[in-house]
Amino acid sequence: QSVLSQPPSASGTPGQTVSISCSGDFSDIGADYVYWYQHLAGTAPKLLIYKSDQRPSGVPDRFSGSKSDTSASLAISGLRSEDAAYYYCAVWDARLSGWVFGGGTKLTVL
Amino acid sequence: EVQLVESGGGSVKTGGSLRLSCVASGLSFSNTWMTWVRQVPGKGLEWVGHIKRKVDGGTAVYAAAVKGRFTISRDDSENTLYLRMNRLKVEDTAVYYCTTQDRFAQWFGELFQYNYYMDVWGRGTTVTVSS
Repeated sequence: QSVLSQPPSASGTPGQTVSISCSGDFSDIGADYVYWYQHLAGTAPKLLIYKSDQRPSGVPDRFSGSKSDTSASLAISGLRSEDAAYYYCAVWDARLSGWVFGGGTKLTVL
Repeated sequence: EVQLVESGGGSVKTGGSLRLSCVASGLSFSNTWMTWVRQVPGKGLEWVGHIKRKVDGGTAVYAAAVKGRFTISRDDSENTLYLRMNRLKVEDTAVYYCTTQDRFAQWFGELFQYNYYMDVWGRGTTVTVSS
């Protein structure tokens, strides 16, 4: 069982906005920054958001991240078919001295 | 462009050993912290451990599930990261990814600390452990 909780699935139609949540506690999300990764099967996972709300260069501004207390959220606006993938949140847990991930959310674009 | 290519995966019996490699290009490898992450079939991602660059001590940190059995090392002259896996268990069956770590400074008044995070990932190499 993952330390961080994510919904197992999410869906939307092209052009819609979808949000994926990531819930933790005061020792992980409440204590540090959150990171988001996109993963399509058979490919290398890709960093989407770092420092809770920052986008690396090359990541479209359709992707945005936010954090409040012990939860975080990834929003994808203007949904596109190529956004269909698994999305994972991650945070450094100082109590465990290691990275912890959410269980992943499978995004389906209908 | 930063590229990471993992290799060395395969099938092994429980109790056996395997060494994974990750060759990096397009970056200053010796100046980069590196990480191993795995994904058990049908499950999510799991951090295995990371290794600091030599100027920061070159030490490695491990997840509890692999501590004492796995060893992370690096050869900066070959731009290569390694994961030596001993006493393998069925539950170690997974796709193993190597990642770079980038960093940003977090300021506390006049002091700061670096926050490291997993940045570029490879495509992974598959390890299957059977009884």
